Amino acid sequence: TQLLEQSPQFLSIQEGENLTVYCNSSSVFSSLQWYRQEPGEGPVLLVTVVTGGEVKKLKRLTFQFGDARKDSSLHITAAQPGDTGLYLCAVTTGNQFYFGTGTSLTVIP
Amino acid sequence: DSGVTQTPKHLITATGQRVTLRCSPRSGDLSVYWYQQSLDQGLQFLIQYYNGEERAKGNILERFSAQQFPDLHSELNLSSLELGDSALYFCASSVGDRTFNEQFFGPGTRLTVL
Repeated sequence: TQLLEQSPQFLSIQEGENLTVYCNSSSVFSSLQWYRQEPGEGPVLLVTVVTGGEVKKLKRLTFQFGDARKDSSLHITAAQPGDTGLYLCAVTTGNQFYFGTGTSLTVIP
Repeated sequence: DSGVTQTPKHLITATGQRVTLRCSPRSGDLSVYWYQQSLDQGLQFLIQYYNGEERAKGNILERFSAQQFPDLHSELNLSSLELGDSALYFCASSVGDRTFNEQFFGPGTRLTVL
């Protein structure tokens, strides 16, 4: 059983469309991070959310931490081919660091 | 470029062999983390070192070991290799010793065990 389940696992959309990906858990976390990993590279941190209900925006990306701090969502507006990649959520619990199962996004020009 | 370097980029070896992966953290970062990424297991935390000391241990097999040297570079040693050890191995670094701190990932070493 994975600590962090992400959905959908795969997503292929046309340029200009909007999309939302989800990160869910049955556990409560003090904070949550989102990373993007492009093919052949390591993950890159996009955002850290720390407060239940918090919403953070990074250009066309909107991140929300659930009120109960068990889940999070990432919404992309007007997706571009440069958004293609693997989106990973991640949490720290105790002295362990866990990544989610990931959503592989492909944006078709 | 994250500032974290990893060598080699690719490594092909046979079952039963031993290999060493090397990581140089960003200048000024004291923590080094090692991760394994495979298709079936995803990205898994292996171990963290802070300023030469082991700070946290994740899903690291007994056949694997790591160390961080006085110049802060780190090595991950994988021994008695099995086919299932084939994966991408990432190193990351951060300034502080808390795993929550922003981590900067290297480009990874792709290990293939034949």
